[in-house]
Amino acid sequence: SQTIHQWPATLVQPVGSPLSLECTVEGTSNPNLYWYRQAAGRGLQLLFYSVGIGQISSEVPQNLSASRPQDRQFILSSKKLLLSDSGFYLCAWSRSAGGNEQFFGPGTRLTVL
Amino acid sequence: DQQVKQNSPSLSVQEGRISILNCDYTNSMFDYFLWYKKYPAEGPTFLISISSIKDKNEDGRFTVFLNKSAKHLSLHIVPSQPGDSAVYFCAASKASGTYKYIFGTGTRLKVLA
Repeated sequence: SQTIHQWPATLVQPVGSPLSLECTVEGTSNPNLYWYRQAAGRGLQLLFYSVGIGQISSEVPQNLSASRPQDRQFILSSKKLLLSDSGFYLCAWSRSAGGNEQFFGPGTRLTVL
Repeated sequence: DQQVKQNSPSLSVQEGRISILNCDYTNSMFDYFLWYKKYPAEGPTFLISISSIKDKNEDGRFTVFLNKSAKHLSLHIVPSQPGDSAVYFCAASKASGTYKYIFGTGTRLKVLA
């Protein structure tokens, strides 16, 4: 069976500090990978998606970047955090062919002070 | 531009009664729709989906209805149970190989015992 892991579960960072959130998927190969953010009282905003190693598509201009160094690893980064980066970050995967559901990880709660 | 809208931020229903959650979309190219359920501090979990070639899909207590001409879909939960209390997101996609979804802002359902 497939599982998706995210860490850390919670993170409190000062403004201007760097960020690295990691997501890994087990039990599948060549998944599509996604980073979402849920800000307080808001829906799920797609930040980045990836259809393969080194292939990253950015959905919205922002202070964040993403990388996919391995097939089942997706990393969300920032060089300098802003207050507005606070939120609940979710990683998700879907099969690259067939099946349309996205499966979400447990999320990371980021608070920037 | 919010392509997927859930105009009711919250809904309260008595246990045993029907819960109806609504979702509207604006892009006629969307051809696949999903509903997700989300508990606080957790990732969303997939509930049920529907393709644009159908107008109804049923899975146990959950039924999704699609009205393509009105660009409207709804999720019916019968009978509602206290454990159904959560935030429900609808999502829409146009099949492009990346399975990228646009999510609504969510409706918080509270089932009263």
